[in-house]
Amino acid sequence: DAKTTQPNSMESNEEEPVHLPCNHSTISGTDYIHWYRQLPSQGPEYVIHGLTSNVNNRMASLAIAEDRKSSTLILHRATLRDAAVYYCILRDLLNTPLVFGKGTRLSVIA
Amino acid sequence: DAGVIQSPRHEVTEMGQEVTLRCKPISGHNSLFWYRQTMMRGLELLIYFNNNVPIDDSGMPEDRFSAKMPNASFSTLKIQPSEPRDSAVYFCASSSDRGGYEQYFGPGTRLTVT
Repeated sequence: DAKTTQPNSMESNEEEPVHLPCNHSTISGTDYIHWYRQLPSQGPEYVIHGLTSNVNNRMASLAIAEDRKSSTLILHRATLRDAAVYYCILRDLLNTPLVFGKGTRLSVIA
Repeated sequence: DAGVIQSPRHEVTEMGQEVTLRCKPISGHNSLFWYRQTMMRGLELLIYFNNNVPIDDSGMPEDRFSAKMPNASFSTLKIQPSEPRDSAVYFCASSSDRGGYEQYFGPGTRLTVT
């Protein structure tokens, strides 16, 4: 799997938008960009994934650069419950294992 | 659906003892993954199964670790004999070939080997 680079930590105020960046300059044409998050003392949970176009779901939005070498996970209004480690993972469409990096630890301040 | 079920949630054992971790995947999912999480190494894959067949066990640390999936609704991860360095949180996850391939994780088993 291609490598991703994320900031170690970020901080946000409650009810403000959060933009979590991810660089993946060696992404291949068949790699999907997946985001998972891990809340404290829980297993990781799926957030969103995309290939080329921007994606929206009830949890977040994913903005993908035109050259696909970077992407941004957007939480529109951060809540205290969004405090977690966010992982950006490249993966082809096949049902293969996830390769986790260190992720970004997001802190949300009330 | 109850989600992925793991048992026990916590296990404390002495070095040298056998440990068995259990996982029940989401009904209808045909892929199952065992991951381990430590502070030093983060989240890493141990082994995964597709349609009950082990596909990749290259992450299994050594012969002390073994995993089985006798049917589509049950898997075990066994450590024999256990060592203090095996202390970690062990996660089971499942997913389906039909759909978006999202992996659904269980709550994990926190293993402490003294």
